[in-house]
Amino acid sequence: GAGVSQTPSNKVTEKGKYVELRCDPISGHTALYWYRQSLGQGPEFLIYFQGTGAADDSGLPNDRFFAVRPEGSVSTLKIQRTERGDSAVYLCASSLQGLGDEQYFGPGTRLTVT
Amino acid sequence: AQSVTQLDSQVPVFEEAPVELRCNYSSSVSVYLFWYVQYPNQGLQLLLKYLSGSTLVKGINGFEAEFNKSQTSFHLRKPSVHISDTAEYFCAVSGISGGYQKVTFGTGTKLQVIP
Repeated sequence: GAGVSQTPSNKVTEKGKYVELRCDPISGHTALYWYRQSLGQGPEFLIYFQGTGAADDSGLPNDRFFAVRPEGSVSTLKIQRTERGDSAVYLCASSLQGLGDEQYFGPGTRLTVT
Repeated sequence: AQSVTQLDSQVPVFEEAPVELRCNYSSSVSVYLFWYVQYPNQGLQLLLKYLSGSTLVKGINGFEAEFNKSQTSFHLRKPSVHISDTAEYFCAVSGISGGYQKVTFGTGTKLQVIP
C-alpha cells in the first residue's frame, strides 16, 4: 500500500516568505507527527496530532510555525516570515494509534530559505 | 524532561565483527523505546521497539536491543555486521513529559562497516 507522502520534496524560498508543507499519512492512521531534521542532527519533534487535534504542539519553535489537520488525514505545516534558520528537512510520520506504535516516515521536504 | 543520549556519533567496524550502539535516556515516567535506521538516501524505518515485557527485543536484519531500567539504557547490538548495515541509527523515546505526550530522538550514530 501507499506510504507517507510529502510535498513538495524540495522548496526554496526567500527570507520573509510564507511556505506550506503537506503530508499525506497512511490511510487509517490516527496519529501524525511533524519533525525537523538539521544536518547532523536527529529528528526534532515539532507537533503530534491525534485525529484532528494537536495532542502536543510544544515542539513548535515559535508562533511563526503552525500546523493543521482539519479532517484527521492530510496535514499542513505552515511557516510564516521564514528565516534562514528554518532551513532543514521537515519530516512527517504517521502511526496507527499513538506513541507505542511504529511510526512510518515520509521522505521529507527539504526547505531552503535564502 | 525527556531526553535521549547517543554517546557515539560515528562507529567504524569491520565486516562480520560485532557492534554495539549505545543509547541512554532520561524520563520521569514509563516510556516506550525505539531504534530507527536511515539508510543512505532513504527515509527512517523502524528496527525494533520495546513497549513492555521481555527486556531483550529482537528486530529486523539480526539486530537486537536490551532495555535496562536501572541504567536507563537501550543499547543496540548485532553479533556480525554486514556491509549493508552501513547507515545512521537513531534511538527514540516516547512518553508523557510535562503533561504532554512527547517523542524524543537522539542525535544519531553513523555505523560505517569496513570491508
